[in-house]
Amino acid sequence: QSALTQPASVSGSPGQSITISCTGTSSDVGGYNYVSWYQQHPGKAPKLMIYEVTNRPSGVSNRFSGSKSGNTASLTISGLQAEDEADYYCSSYTSISTVVFGGGTKLTVL
Amino acid sequence: QLQLQESGPGLVKPSETLSLTCTVSGGSISSSSYFWGWIRQPPGKGLEWIGSLYYSGTTYYNPSLKSRITISVDTSKNQFSLMLSSVTAADTAVFYCARLLLGRYFFEYWGQGTLVTVSS
Repeated sequence: QSALTQPASVSGSPGQSITISCTGTSSDVGGYNYVSWYQQHPGKAPKLMIYEVTNRPSGVSNRFSGSKSGNTASLTISGLQAEDEADYYCSSYTSISTVVFGGGTKLTVL
Repeated sequence: QLQLQESGPGLVKPSETLSLTCTVSGGSISSSSYFWGWIRQPPGKGLEWIGSLYYSGTTYYNPSLKSRITISVDTSKNQFSLMLSSVTAADTAVFYCARLLLGRYFFEYWGQGTLVTVSS
């Protein structure tokens, strides 16, 4: 199975909004509403930010939102804050009952 | 509060078998509501799903690793384990254990991770 495709890096200034894309195929992202997003700070374990495309776990800021169109899912962070600087990973369920991650995106808050 | 803790050798020799255990506290590994999984992350690289397991023993593996991995459960100890055989330097990574809700394919709780280095 191939990793989902994410941009290597994105950046934005405090207060701005950014969007990270996650592109797969009809056998994963496009075929199921099982896309999730994780935030990872250096040296830390990943943290679930979005599940099942659009849902936020309790305690996650409503500045984080998710969406999907066709084979591409997106994570949008509004009102960027310095603490949002981290690596972000998408993942999806696949048609062969496996899970696949994206390659990761490094978010820099300028 | 659910906690997961990975444990095992931090150094493994090439061609040998890597063995890790994840101890679950604050919840039962035998709950019918959850799957349990392993994910790894080579230094400076991205996440890779290794496999997932249900308390009954049902497993799902990453096709690229399937020939070398075994994930098993010990309900009496509230633990599950990973064995990865014939390791090479490319298997050097931080290994995480995590919990998934049954039928819902996201990792809601993660262990802190443990670094395993493959080197002679």
